[in-house]
Amino acid sequence: DSGVTQTPKHLITATGQRVTLRCSPRSGDLSVYWYQQSLDQGLQFLIQYYNGEERAKGNILERFSAQQFPDLHSELNLSSLELGDSALYFCASSPSAGTPEAFFGQGTRLTVV
Amino acid sequence: GDSVTQMEGPVTLSEEAFLTINCTYTATGYPSLFWYVQYPGEGLQLLLKATKADDKGSNKGFEATYRKETTSFHLEKGSVQVSDSAVYFCALSDPSGDSSYKLIFGSGTRLLVRP
Repeated sequence: DSGVTQTPKHLITATGQRVTLRCSPRSGDLSVYWYQQSLDQGLQFLIQYYNGEERAKGNILERFSAQQFPDLHSELNLSSLELGDSALYFCASSPSAGTPEAFFGQGTRLTVV
Repeated sequence: GDSVTQMEGPVTLSEEAFLTINCTYTATGYPSLFWYVQYPGEGLQLLLKATKADDKGSNKGFEATYRKETTSFHLEKGSVQVSDSAVYFCALSDPSGDSSYKLIFGSGTRLLVRP
């Protein structure tokens, strides 16, 4: 158990809908990363938050957004969903913005039908 | 930009065989290097890491050495077990561009160990 909790584990929704994925980092970790794992794109970095502020952005679509709350949990919002958004979404946390080692949650498997 | 290249899988071995999974990288700065493992239906687990040239990371019988001259971080294990069957990801973290320690992953290599 990495100490990173993601909910829900599975999500099935229809095209055009909006969903929210939740991540609770390890106790004390200030930095949260979101990654997408899909069959065609592999594991891709989406976005990083550090202590409530956006720190870095990767290949994140404009339809996707994220935030980190004062209690340090993070949410990834996916809207206007398309079939191609079906993927495994991982959250990872690390103690600070300057730590290369990250600990991953179990992931949320999103299926868009 | 930074990138990681891994050998194509699947790799199929018999139990107790020697394992090598090749990984090479391209980076503008001085990255840290990692191997993560993903067991079926689970998340990513950090297997080992190396933060500077010539460092050797090791864990659970797996080893990898950070070779700056060949930009490589090959994963090895002397004697694999059926329980090692999983997907292995090589990754780098290079904050020199945007000060972020985000991970850049290779495509993953599936290992299947037969009894």
